[in-house]
Amino acid sequence: AQSVAQPEDQVNVAEGNPLTVKCTYSVSGNPYLFWYVQYPNRGLQCLLKYITGDNLVKGSYGCEAEFNKSQTSFHLKKPSALVSDSALYFCAVRVLHYGQNFVFGPGTRLSVLP
Amino acid sequence: DTGVSQDPRHKITKRGQNVTFRCDPISEHNRLYWYRQTLGQGPEFLTYFQNEAQLEKSRLLSDRFSAERPKGSFSTLEIQRTEQGDSAMYLCASSLLGGQLEETQYFGPGTRLLVL
Repeated sequence: AQSVAQPEDQVNVAEGNPLTVKCTYSVSGNPYLFWYVQYPNRGLQCLLKYITGDNLVKGSYGCEAEFNKSQTSFHLKKPSALVSDSALYFCAVRVLHYGQNFVFGPGTRLSVLP
Repeated sequence: DTGVSQDPRHKITKRGQNVTFRCDPISEHNRLYWYRQTLGQGPEFLTYFQNEAQLEKSRLLSDRFSAERPKGSFSTLEIQRTEQGDSAMYLCASSLLGGQLEETQYFGPGTRLLVL
């Protein structure tokens, strides 16, 4: 079975400091990996995705994530956090030949403190 | 705004009643997904359509749940004989499958259901 873990329910970081939101996955086969962000009363938005190629993926709002196959991780990073980055972040994985659905992690709530 | 829309945004019902939710995807998108999200959890896949065909259903989708996409555009999700455990946010997403397999899903704002 495919699964995604986000080991931290909550991450607090001071504005201007770097942030990391962790994600590890367990799949059979080659994964497609995604990060989504959810703001209150708004739909999930895709920040970035890893399909193939360069292990470092850059996405929206200055976010980036590094695919590490040996550690089965896909941590989200941003060099300088903004208060407006405060939201719920979900890591998701999709593996072909195991259906068309995405498997989402439980989410990490990021709070950026001014 | 031409994003994914869902209606209603909130629904309160009594146990045993039927409810129906609607999703309007982005107009040119051929795939439509339904998810359920409970508090503190990520979205859980329920079912998806490619055009009007329902191609996959999760085991989470009990026989009280039915989804349709009759003309390959909007979709409805009906829950019959609602139970308190059905209380959740129901999310709809759409995507365009145009040859590449790694399409991005675009999510609507969700319908929050509370069963009393």
